[in-house]
Parts: sequence; structure tokens; C-alpha cells
Amino acid sequence: GDSVTQMEGPVTLSEEAFLTINCTYTATGYPSLFWYVQYPGEGLQLLLKATKADDKGSNKGFEATYRKETTSFHLEKGSVQVSDSAVYFCALANAGGTSYGKLTFGQGTILTVHP
Amino acid sequence: ETGVTQSPTHLIKTRGQQVTLRCSSQSGHNTVSWYQQALGQGPQFIFQYYREEENGRGNFPPRFSGLQFPNYSSELNVNALELDDSALYLCASSFTSSAQYFGPGTRLTVL
Repeated sequence: GDSVTQMEGPVTLSEEAFLTINCTYTATGYPSLFWYVQYPGEGLQLLLKATKADDKGSNKGFEATYRKETTSFHLEKGSVQVSDSAVYFCALANAGGTSYGKLTFGQGTILTVHP
Repeated sequence: ETGVTQSPTHLIKTRGQQVTLRCSSQSGHNTVSWYQQALGQGPQFIFQYYREEENGRGNFPPRFSGLQFPNYSSELNVNALELDDSALYLCASSFTSSAQYFGPGTRLTVL
């Protein structure tokens, strides 16, 4: 079945540092890929998405490129802020199965940014 | 444009009881999906409703059931609650296969 794997362990950075959160996936067909962000005590917010190979999703300074050859969708930001501290989830949606639009999530990566 | 709303915000139940959670979808959306998020984990897909019919189901037992109404709002019902059902329950709405937008969730605690 479909699966998403995110880099393990929390990430701690200083403000203005460069951020990379790795995400790889296993899926049949041609899934759409997403990054969601969850702030403490809240639901998930869609951060960015890409629907086909080589697409780049971007929002609020965050970027991720859909790499079919490496089955990856790594999240990057050039200069993080304290307000970016949150949990980041990589997810895929595969219309090839019976659950059209079902999201499969990774385990999440906790990001903490210090001033 | 109104976003996805869920009620109640928090709920405490005891084992064996039944619970109903509610979700109002975002304006213009016709599809509702429900997810269970255990503490420290990613959300797990429960089921999805499209045009009032179940449109796919994850690996959850039949005591998890749902409804979608003509206005596209939805309910999640859980019977015979177990301690492991304690989690954040998230509702997401979308227009057919477009990106899903999540509500703030309902925190269910089973004692």
C-alpha cells in the first residue's frame, strides 16, 4: 500500500537558518503530494502541494519539488522564523485506489526555531 | 468564505459509551473525510463521504460509522468506546479530488 516516510527526530534551528525536512514516498500510480503544518492545539493547515512530477509547490517561503525518480518531496525554507515552529506532515493522495483523495500521512516532524 | 468547523472542541466519555462528532464543510466543498490522530502520530484515514455515500474506508472497525447530509455537513459516530479511541478527530473537506482543508479537530478522551 501507499506510505510516506519523514526524517526522524525533532529539528531544532536558530532563526534565519536553512531548513530541510526530508520526505520519501511509496505509491502506485501518480499521487499528488502535500505538506501540511500543525501548530500547537490546532488542526492541519495546507502549506503547499504538487500534483505531477517536477512540479514545485511554494508558499510563505517554503518550497518542495515533486521528484518522481527519487520518490521524494523534501520541504525547504531559506530562512526560518520563530513563528515557523510547528509540526510538519508530508502526505500523498492517490486516486488510483478505492478511496479517491484519501490522504496518507507521514509521522510528522517537530520543528523548533530559537531566536 | 467559511472554513471547516467541528463540534464539540473537547469531549470526555467513558468506555462503552457512544459519541457523535460533527463537521461543517467549507463553502463549495462536496466531499468530507475523517481522520484519527493519536498523540504524536500522523492522522489516519477513517472514511470519506461524497454525495452522501461512503466513498472509501480505512482500517477501522464497523463501530466507526458516519453520515453526510444534503448540505455536505457530516457526522462521525463511534460506538462502544475503547480507551484507544482517545485521539484528535479531524474532519477535512474538499471539492471532489482537490486538496483537503482541515477543521480544528475534536479532542476525544475516553476514561
